[in-house]
Amino acid sequence: EVVLVESGGGLVQPGRSLRLSCAASGFTFDDYAMHWVRQAPGKGLEWVSGISWKSGSIGYADSVKGRFTISRDNAKNSLYLQMNSLRTEDMALYYCVRQGCSSTSCRRPGGFDYWGQGTLVTVSS
Amino acid sequence: EIVMTQSPATLSVSPGERVTLSCRASQSVSSNLAWYQQKPGQAPRLLIYDSSTRATGIPARFSGSGSGTEFTLTISSLQFEDFAVYYCQQYQTWPPLYTFGQGTKLEIK
Repeated sequence: EVVLVESGGGLVQPGRSLRLSCAASGFTFDDYAMHWVRQAPGKGLEWVSGISWKSGSIGYADSVKGRFTISRDNAKNSLYLQMNSLRTEDMALYYCVRQGCSSTSCRRPGGFDYWGQGTLVTVSS
Repeated sequence: EIVMTQSPATLSVSPGERVTLSCRASQSVSSNLAWYQQKPGQAPRLLIYDSSTRATGIPARFSGSGSGTEFTLTISSLQFEDFAVYYCQQYQTWPPLYTFGQGTKLEIK
């Protein structure tokens, strides 16, 4: 069974840092691209960042570029998100997400097929 | 950045009805389009990927179509458990710069 468990959320002051972690199990972690998606209270989904299976390719939403850093440790089956210079607008539930295969090949990415339950980040003074 | 626009924002429908949700991309995403369902207090669930492929365990009443910039999600006969918020998402670019639509809320009429 695929399981993704996020941790590291909490209350932090604006301008400070926080590091989120995601522990993955039930699948071969380094076969899949992984992502972070967030959802502010009462709002829609926002893709934050993604990383390829061997960390060779990384992307960020414009809203976090230069402040957030995604990384993974395939030996530990773990995904991370280092969040610096936090702003009140970064307050959200952060989901760890696995990107599945396309319908034709696992060399092409597909939809986000497994989601964690999320970890809440609150940014407030 | 590719902007995804969903319509309508809210749809009031009755159980048993057929419903179609729309999603438009600001530029072509080929068939790299997914649909998700989210219920209150739950993580989103993948329904459709590659525009028209149902994810594992998704009932046949859910179907997706489209390519390029215009996409639809159709639910053939609404069940009570289908009342939720639906999001489309493009995954066209790599390195990733993915975007979600703002969501369509299906509510009971």
